[in-house]
Amino acid sequence: DQQVKQNSPSLSVQEGRISILNCDYTNSMFDYFLWYKKYPAEGPTFLISISSIKDKNEDGRFTVFLNKSAKHLSLHIVPSQPGDSAVYFCAADRGADGLTFGKGTHLIIQP
Amino acid sequence: GAGVSQSPSNKVTEKGKDVELRCDPISGHTALYWYRQRLGQGLEFLIYFQGNSAPDKSGLPSDRFSAERTGESVSTLTIQRTQQEDSAVYLCASSSGRGSTLHFGNGTRLTVT
Repeated sequence: DQQVKQNSPSLSVQEGRISILNCDYTNSMFDYFLWYKKYPAEGPTFLISISSIKDKNEDGRFTVFLNKSAKHLSLHIVPSQPGDSAVYFCAADRGADGLTFGKGTHLIIQP
Repeated sequence: GAGVSQSPSNKVTEKGKDVELRCDPISGHTALYWYRQRLGQGLEFLIYFQGNSAPDKSGLPSDRFSAERTGESVSTLTIQRTQQEDSAVYLCASSSGRGSTLHFGNGTRLTVT
């Protein structure tokens, strides 16, 4: 049973436009959410996070939105740049054990 | 080093053999995690060490998997009698504690033939 779902395995966006990556979760005990970015042959690196007491967190070009009632979060990247091409993992934490990760979305930024 | 270091970076082994994977966390990080990523899948939690507490082994898929950590330093993940379904990238991460950002190593790509 997948508790964190990223339903789009891949997403292609034109350079300069907005990239929107989506994530859904099923466990209402999750209270902290994170996005990680992964390049090939490297480990994931932390990108941005949001606590369940907030509905938005912004860091430069990256904004994460949380809709608790819908159990949905999204990562917005604007404007998208070629270096943003990577796999993005959504992760959730409920304080009891390690992070629960989604399967990832491969973002491709086209020139 | 400045980051989490894992070795080897690649390992090819025959089915039935034992393998040992190593992780050097960031100095001072009390929490250490092992994850694995099978092809086309997300990151699957395996085990979590926090300081001197008993490890959380709830994610280990079978009794062929075990892990140890010496104090707050090196950890080894051992897979006995490897099977083809063990083929995956095994990722280690460390953090300064629960709720802190995880810092991942580059992983060990294990291939069981």
